[in-house]
Amino acid sequence: SAVISQKPSRDICQRGTSLTIQCQVDSQVTMMFWYRQQPGQSLTLIATANQGSEATYESGFVIDKFPISRPNLTFSTLTVSNMSPEDSSIYLCSVTQGATEAFFGQGTRLTVV
Amino acid sequence: GESVGLHLPTLSVQEGDNSIINCAYSNSASDYFIWYKQESGKGPQFIIDIRSNMDKRQGQRVTVLLNKTVKHLSLQIAATQPGDSAVYFCAENIRDGGATNKLIFGTGTLLAVQP
Repeated sequence: SAVISQKPSRDICQRGTSLTIQCQVDSQVTMMFWYRQQPGQSLTLIATANQGSEATYESGFVIDKFPISRPNLTFSTLTVSNMSPEDSSIYLCSVTQGATEAFFGQGTRLTVV
Repeated sequence: GESVGLHLPTLSVQEGDNSIINCAYSNSASDYFIWYKQESGKGPQFIIDIRSNMDKRQGQRVTVLLNKTVKHLSLQIAATQPGDSAVYFCAENIRDGGATNKLIFGTGTLLAVQP
């Protein structure tokens, strides 16, 4: 199984600022995924990040708001830009190994005030 | 294909009883389903999976049943323990136009085990 580390684990940010979340995997993976989990709700896929190409965003998410970097096969970042209180959420990184099994980081709990 | 819902359904069971958590999925082309357990403050943890060509799979204390006719998935936990208290999510795997797989999550169920 893959071990995924996310930083920061939590943060409280002022509205209008940006936060970059880091995701580090202990092995090389082709695809990394970023999810949002709003309070009391399920996980919603934000985008898929492949190394060497631009991220693919799901409906309702745009690159200007959630820019993603994928500089190598073990690392990715997600930036939440120009934050508002509605962005308060848990942000999760995941990777797949084998055909489909997905492993998740512990998440980043973001509160925007 | 995004999950919606403002409130998690809750299943309350007594310690030692069996638990059954249900999930409806939406995409008949989904080829793979996974159950995840999420404890407070942690990311989802893989429990068990099942491929679309199967209707039952058993693990340690857990069984997943798949009914493709009605697009229904269930997770059965035998002899539920306090440590099983968590939110449980089903997820369906969808192939996105070729090589990319992505997971679409259900709304989740909060399992509360009473001692």
